[in-house]
Amino acid sequence: RKEVEQDPGPFNVPEGATVAFNCTYSNSASQSFFWYRQDCRKEPKLLMSVYSSGNEDGRFTAQLNRASQYISLLIRDSKLSDSATYLCVVTDSYNQGGKLIFGQGTELSVKP
Amino acid sequence: ETGVTQSPTHLIKTRGQQVTLRCSSQSGHNTVSWYQQALGQGPQFIFQYYREEENGRGNFPPRFSGLQFPNYSSELNVNALELDDSALYLCASTLKGQGYYEQYFGPGTRLTVT
Repeated sequence: RKEVEQDPGPFNVPEGATVAFNCTYSNSASQSFFWYRQDCRKEPKLLMSVYSSGNEDGRFTAQLNRASQYISLLIRDSKLSDSATYLCVVTDSYNQGGKLIFGQGTELSVKP
Repeated sequence: ETGVTQSPTHLIKTRGQQVTLRCSSQSGHNTVSWYQQALGQGPQFIFQYYREEENGRGNFPPRFSGLQFPNYSSELNVNALELDDSALYLCASTLKGQGYYEQYFGPGTRLTVT
């Protein structure tokens, strides 16, 4: 079983749609949680850190359920510029020694 | 801007050769991590350096080695290149965010082994 599993893609949605990505992780000792965004042939960029209380940044909302070992990302009012691969990421440490463990990514394509 | 730079951008090598990839981060960023991303996959952790010492290693053979220097630059060396080493190699610098420590990536080096 993979340490971090994401919805298989791709997701093809029209502009303005709401889209949700789901992710599960296998290690209950995981400490830090993130969503990264990766454009084609570019580096991953940190989109949001994810906390148990949930957090929101504009059109983006992330949730963490430690009991279910589940992370989600909701994008409201999708824009063409949201088209990218979204990577769910966990670490095994709170401190700066943690390694990032990535899911395989879910590709999003927003169409006009 | 993450302040993390990598060189070269692209590189083509032949099987069996050796390669050195470079990464530079901002002053005070004591931790650097290296990742390998094969096509269609998420990045895989290679190793991490903290204050010039290796601080963790992923499931990569010893022919993958690294260094971190006092000026916050870092190197990834790969010996005896294999075709499967073709990938995007990413380095990341760690910063303390509002809650967690967060890792910010450089633009990567795309290595092709023929």
